[in-house]
Amino acid sequence: GAGVSQTPSNKVTEKGKYVELRCDPISGHTALYWYRQSLGQGPEFLIYFQGTGAADDSGLPNDRFFAVRPEGSVSTLKIQRTERGDSAVYLCASRSGPSHSPLHFGNGTRLTVT
Amino acid sequence: GENVEQHPSTLSVQEGDSAVIKCTYSDSASNYFPWYKQELGKRPQLIIDIRSNVGEKKDQRIAVTLNKTAKHFSLHITETQPEDSAVYFCAATPNSGNTPLVFGKGTRLSVIA
Repeated sequence: GAGVSQTPSNKVTEKGKYVELRCDPISGHTALYWYRQSLGQGPEFLIYFQGTGAADDSGLPNDRFFAVRPEGSVSTLKIQRTERGDSAVYLCASRSGPSHSPLHFGNGTRLTVT
Repeated sequence: GENVEQHPSTLSVQEGDSAVIKCTYSDSASNYFPWYKQELGKRPQLIIDIRSNVGEKKDQRIAVTLNKTAKHFSLHITETQPEDSAVYFCAATPNSGNTPLVFGKGTRLSVIA
């Protein structure tokens, strides 16, 4: 079936603006993760959902970042009052649920804050 | 929490030679260790993984070894080909539910034809 889908693929916004990044996981995958990848770095964990609830949000850098998954499928990462340091590729990933089933990544959203 | 260190950051090899990438981890509770390959502008893709109940796993030209005592694991690619050129990431996580993976900073592998 279809893989993890992320939209938009690219987003350019001005400093101070609000942005929403969307992730559509593989159908039936109960666990959904958001990571951030800066140039030349590995993916950095932000938050993960088990079903509708955020099971671990310890990676969110500050209260400008928030994510939801209201129906246990699509998730939206929301960033308020964007800063230039928020520029990165935001990766979404999902897995089917059993511990250590493979993690499948989307192509990411490249966010540029000018 | 877990901390994963990866070396080297860049690696160049001649086509046909072997490449080895090494990672260390800090959390003795970690027992799942996947490796991801990321080509330029593309998503990370799982290429091989190992669990702590085995010391080595092989899949064609790729192998991973794990030393739990020393808390390090390595990726070995034999008979390298130009299409192996990419950034490789190691990761680790404890075996507890869907605990997030912690990634290393990556190794940029260049295979020179």
